[in-house]
Amino acid sequence: QVTLQESGPVLVKPTETLTLTCTVSGFSLSDPMVGVSWIRQPPGKALHWLAHIFSSDERSYNTSLRSRLTISKDTSKSQVVLTMTNMDPVDTGTYYCARISRIAYDNDHWGQGTLVTVSS
Amino acid sequence: EIVLTQSPGTLSLSPGERATLSCRASQSLSNNYLAWYQQKPGQAPRVLIYSASTRGNGIPDRFSGSGSGTDFTLTISRLKPEDFAVYYCQQYGNSPPYTFGQGTKLEIK
Repeated sequence: QVTLQESGPVLVKPTETLTLTCTVSGFSLSDPMVGVSWIRQPPGKALHWLAHIFSSDERSYNTSLRSRLTISKDTSKSQVVLTMTNMDPVDTGTYYCARISRIAYDNDHWGQGTLVTVSS
Repeated sequence: EIVLTQSPGTLSLSPGERATLSCRASQSLSNNYLAWYQQKPGQAPRVLIYSASTRGNGIPDRFSGSGSGTDFTLTISRLKPEDFAVYYCQQYGNSPPYTFGQGTKLEIK
């Protein structure tokens, strides 16, 4: 059974760095056919793709946020970490991690999401 | 950046009716890596369709996807009460960002 679980702070202050962890089970981060994406959703708004990483360490980032994002993985811990620097209130939203399949590049399993609020 | 435009923004239909949702890409998706997701309030999205026309695991056959290039369609043949939700398309073209559409809200008429 594939599961993903996001964890991290619920509240961060403006200018701080956000660190989110996605802990996966039911698959391995060393599997060449899958990877992990991060996607966020501001309250009441649409989904927004942030980044992904595959077993080969191939990483892609949203170009508009590239300077602020870093994605990494610890295969032994089954964890993928996303950091976002210089947080702003507009970054408030639910952050999801999802498994991405290389077969068709769809996000076939999702975590339940974690709500992050940016406020002083 | 490939922009995905979904229409309509809101679709009001009754159970048993047919729903047709559109997703138009600003550039051609030569690899047809277009997925459709359903999201209900307070829940994570779930994949319905991938590669434009392949149903995800356990997805009922009343959901179907079609299209290629820049024009894609999600059709729900006979709406059930549990189908009323927000639907998003997402593209995985040749380069990032791998954008989502703005969503179509399917509501009960």
